[in-house]
Amino acid sequence: DQQVKQNSPSLSVQEGRISILNCDYTNSMFDYFLWYKKYPAEGPTFLISISSIKDKNEDGRFTVFLNKSAKHLSLHIVPSQPGDSAVYFCAASGGSQGNLIFGKGTKLSVKP
Amino acid sequence: GAGVSQSPSNKVTEKGKDVELRCDPISGHTALYWYRQSLGQGLEFLIYFQGNSAPDKSGLPSDRFSAERTGGSVSTLTIQRTQQEDSAVYLCASSLGLALGAQYFGPGTRLLVL
Repeated sequence: DQQVKQNSPSLSVQEGRISILNCDYTNSMFDYFLWYKKYPAEGPTFLISISSIKDKNEDGRFTVFLNKSAKHLSLHIVPSQPGDSAVYFCAASGGSQGNLIFGKGTKLSVKP
Repeated sequence: GAGVSQSPSNKVTEKGKDVELRCDPISGHTALYWYRQSLGQGLEFLIYFQGNSAPDKSGLPSDRFSAERTGGSVSTLTIQRTQQEDSAVYLCASSLGLALGAQYFGPGTRLLVL
């Protein structure tokens, strides 16, 4: 039973446009959400996070939106750059759970 | 500053052999986590350590898997009598505290069991 779902395995975007990556979760105890970027043969790199007390967090070109009622979060990258091409993982934690629960990832390709 | 380091970066072993994977967390991070990523899958939690508390082993897939954390720093993940389904990338992460801030990952150990 997947508690964190990324329903799009891949996404292709033109350079300079917006990339929107989506993530859904089922566990209402989750209160902290993160996005990681992963290049091949490397460990995941932390990008941005959001606490459940907020609905938006912004860091440069990256913005994460949280809709608690829909149990949905999204990552917006504006403007997208070819170097953003990677696999993006959504993760969540909460309650007494210290570990992160990950989605299966979305492969983003940004075309020049 | 130094990030999380893991060794070896790659390990090829024969079915039935034991392997040890090492993780050096970021200095000052009290929480340490082990995950694995099998081909085409997301990251699967294995075990975490927080300070001197008993580790949470709830993610370990079988009793062939064990982990230690010595002196609150370096951790070793041991897989006994390896099986082909153990082939995966084993990732270690650390954070300031349990469920406190982001977890920062090492580069992983790629394990191939023949």
